[in-house]
Amino acid sequence: QSALTQPASVSGSPGQSITISCTGTSSDIGGYTYVSWFQQHPGNAPKLIIYYVSIRPSGVSSRFSGSKSGNTASLTISGLQPDDDADYYCSSFATGSTYVFGTGTKVTVL
Amino acid sequence: QVKLVQSGAEVKEPGASVTVTCTASGYIFTSYAMHWVRQAPGQGLEWMGWIDAGNGNTKCSQRLQGRVTFTRDTSASTVHMEVRRLTPEDTAVYYCARDGILGQYWGQGTLVNVSS
Repeated sequence: QSALTQPASVSGSPGQSITISCTGTSSDIGGYTYVSWFQQHPGNAPKLIIYYVSIRPSGVSSRFSGSKSGNTASLTISGLQPDDDADYYCSSFATGSTYVFGTGTKVTVL
Repeated sequence: QVKLVQSGAEVKEPGASVTVTCTASGYIFTSYAMHWVRQAPGQGLEWMGWIDAGNGNTKCSQRLQGRVTFTRDTSASTVHMEVRRLTPEDTAVYYCARDGILGQYWGQGTLVNVSS
């Protein structure tokens, strides 16, 4: 099972919107609605920010939104804030009752 | 509230084995599976596998199959993850994460350092 493909880095200025893509195959993203996104600050455990493609857990800002089209999922962060400076990972349920994570994207708030 | 507490950091020599323990509380232990995820220094997240805490069934990633074992102790609400034949490439922070929605609840992480 290969890792899902994410851009290595994305940057934006405060207040701007950015989108992170996560590309898989029909055996993972394309075949299931179990796509999640995680935010990770250095030294901390990952934090779930989106699950089931587009649902935000309680307490997560509405500035985070998720979507999926075919084999690609996307995370959009609107109104970029300094605390959004972090690593972001997608994950998906996959064939064979397994899971796979994305390669990770470093978001820099300029 | 759901809480996952992991065992402490380990230092191991290449070729050895390590077991990391995750103790769960705040929910019915046997109702949820537990995942294991690891992260090498400066690297991304890697899904290792999961164990159904109810029936003990397990699933391991292809990459780690044959070298990793998941077990659980329902009387103690704990899950164990053993990695055998360690190499320096196994140096990582190992996390347990409860299912229901993978990643909703995480342990604090356990650093395993493989070094001679």
